This record gives sequence, structure tokens and C-alpha cells, in this order.
Amino acid sequence: DAGITQSPRHKVTETGTPVTLRCHQTENHRYMYWYRQDPGHGLRLIHYSYGVKDTDKGEVSDGYSVSRSKTEDFLLTLESATSSQTSVYFCAISGSGTGAGYTFGSGTRLTVV
Amino acid sequence: EDQVTQSPEALRLQEGESSSLNCSYTVSGLRGLFWYRQDPGKGPEFLFTLYSAGEEKEKERLKATLTKKESFLHITAPKPEDSATYLCAVPSNDYKLSFGAGTTVTVRA
Repeated sequence: DAGITQSPRHKVTETGTPVTLRCHQTENHRYMYWYRQDPGHGLRLIHYSYGVKDTDKGEVSDGYSVSRSKTEDFLLTLESATSSQTSVYFCAISGSGTGAGYTFGSGTRLTVV
Repeated sequence: EDQVTQSPEALRLQEGESSSLNCSYTVSGLRGLFWYRQDPGKGPEFLFTLYSAGEEKEKERLKATLTKKESFLHITAPKPEDSATYLCAVPSNDYKLSFGAGTTVTVRA
């Protein structure tokens, strides 16, 4: 979707290194979310933001941190990557929380070796 | 705790063979149920929102229905281009969606 972009699209990193994924939106939406998607588990919420500098944890937040210093950017950081964090990461945005669903980015495939 | 369960996990259909996908949910006060389609290597794409029991939404060969405990996604006379993973989701509070694990549909020509 042209209104939301994720970078990088693919990344391979070594265990123990920090990694930052970026989500950028041009829709001026208030809400932004980071999910991870793994076979058999579906989409699981890592962290979300309901405004600039306003963030909260999701169901699988251990080992992850986020920051949102401006409306358009939401960063996800793996402090010290582990093999269990190998996954596909999706960012999503919403203008109204859950009232109208989300728009998702194309995803970042992260491999931790 | 809110839960969303989808069945079956996978569905293989012949072109033209209609079928249904199930999404059952347990939430404290339903504030909507969402259906998404996800193609390989892409993010989920929004299909429908249903808000109340008895409501139906249609888009091409897809029709979504909602009861008090579950939702169905009916695929009528599917084509190979309907092959995808279909996800359902419910709001767990005002800000977050909880997703099911999805049903992967494969339609053979």
C-alpha cells in the first residue's frame, strides 16, 4: 500500500546484534502497530502506538522496544536479536483504532542466524 | 481473554467448488469482526467488516456472515485467483485487533 512502507524488506542478522525496523506512513493516522507472523500462530501484536510518544505493549513484547517521535514513523528495535525472533514483521496503521480495520505494510522478513 | 479460532487450517478446492471458512470468537462485547485476505509475501488486505449478528457483506465471489458466536466466509464458484490465506480478527479493546491463525485456500484449475 502506497500509504505505508516498511524497511528493510529483508534482513539477515547475527544473534546478539541490535536490529531496527522502520515503518513509515503518509496517511497521518494516529494508531500504528507492529505484529509478527509465524506459521501456526498467525499475527501476534508486539507493540502499538496511539500517538506520538504514546506506546504500549502487546502480547509478545519481550525482547522488543519501540519508539515514535513523530506521527509518520514507528520504529521497532530488537535489543539483542535471538533465533526465536526470526519471523515476518508487519506494520499496520489505523485512523480510528479498530473501528475501520487496519492497513498493513508489505512486511519485513528477518532472519537471525 | 479474547480468542479467535479459524477452521479449517487449509482448504483445497477445485475451481467452481463452493465452500465455507469458519471464524469462531469469544469476546466480551463484540465491536466488529474483520476479514482480511493475505497473498504470499504480502501484508493482509482488508475485505469486510461485520458489526452485528445477521449482517452480511459481499464482494465478488466472497460473502461474509456473522452470528453471535462465529462468522463464515463463503466462497462461491471459486477461481484460482481466490487462492490466498484468509484471516479474521476482532477488536480486543479500542485500539487492538486479535487475529486468528488463518485458513489457507488453494483453488485448482
